[in-house]
Amino acid sequence: EAQVTQNPRYLITVTGKKLTVTCSQNMNHEYMSWYRQDPGLGLRQIYYSMNVEVTDKGDVPEGYKVSRKEKRNFPLILESPSPNQTSLYFCASSPTLGVDTDTQYFGPGTRLTVL
Amino acid sequence: AQSVSQHNHHVILSEAASLELGCNYSYGGTVNLFWYVQYPGQHLQLLLKYFSGDPLVKGIKGFEAEFIKSKFSFNLRKPSVQWSDTAEYFCAVGSGGYQKVTFGIGTKLQVIP
Repeated sequence: EAQVTQNPRYLITVTGKKLTVTCSQNMNHEYMSWYRQDPGLGLRQIYYSMNVEVTDKGDVPEGYKVSRKEKRNFPLILESPSPNQTSLYFCASSPTLGVDTDTQYFGPGTRLTVL
Repeated sequence: AQSVSQHNHHVILSEAASLELGCNYSYGGTVNLFWYVQYPGQHLQLLLKYFSGDPLVKGIKGFEAEFIKSKFSFNLRKPSVQWSDTAEYFCAVGSGGYQKVTFGIGTKLQVIP
C-alpha cells in the first residue's frame, strides 16, 4: 500500500531532550516536507527537500533540523525541544514529475508535547 | 516565491446551504492547484486538483473548484453541504515540481444539522 508513515504518533518529552521524528514513504517521491499545525495558525512548513541531499528551510525552521540521506526517509530532529514546539506535526511527500506532480501525500501526524 | 491566501477562516453553514471558499494565489508561472480536506482528528486528504485543461474541476463528495487565471483564484464550491462536511479545508499551490508546495492558512467549516 502506498503510504507515508511517521513515528512515533504520540510523544511527550521534556525541555532539552533531543528527539527525532521519523518519516518514510514508499512511493519513490522526490519531494518531502515537514509541517506543523497549530490552532489558529493553520499549516506551516518547517523544512522541505526536493531530492536526496537537497533540503531547504520553510517558513518556521528555527529549532529544527532535517536530513535526506535516502530518498524514502526524511527525519525531523529537535536538538533541544522547547514548550513552544508542542504541536501536531505532519510529514508529506509528492512526485516532481508526471501527472501527480505536487500532489501531497500526508502521513498520519505526530502529536508532540514538550513539558 | 508563491503565496496562497484563504479569505474565510471560519465558516458556519446550515445543512443544505451552498458553500464557496475563496482561495487566491500569487505566482507568475504555471501552477498546479489543490484543495485538501482535514476531518477532525485526521490527516489532510486530497479533495481535488487542477493541472491543466478544463478550469472547472470536480472532486470527491460533490466538491468542485474553478480556476480563474485572470483573477489568480481557485475557489471551492459545493451546492449543498452536509453535516459530514464539517472539516478544515486547505488550498495549496505548486509550481510543477520546481519549488516547494505552498499552503493557505485553512478554513474551518462547521455545518449545523
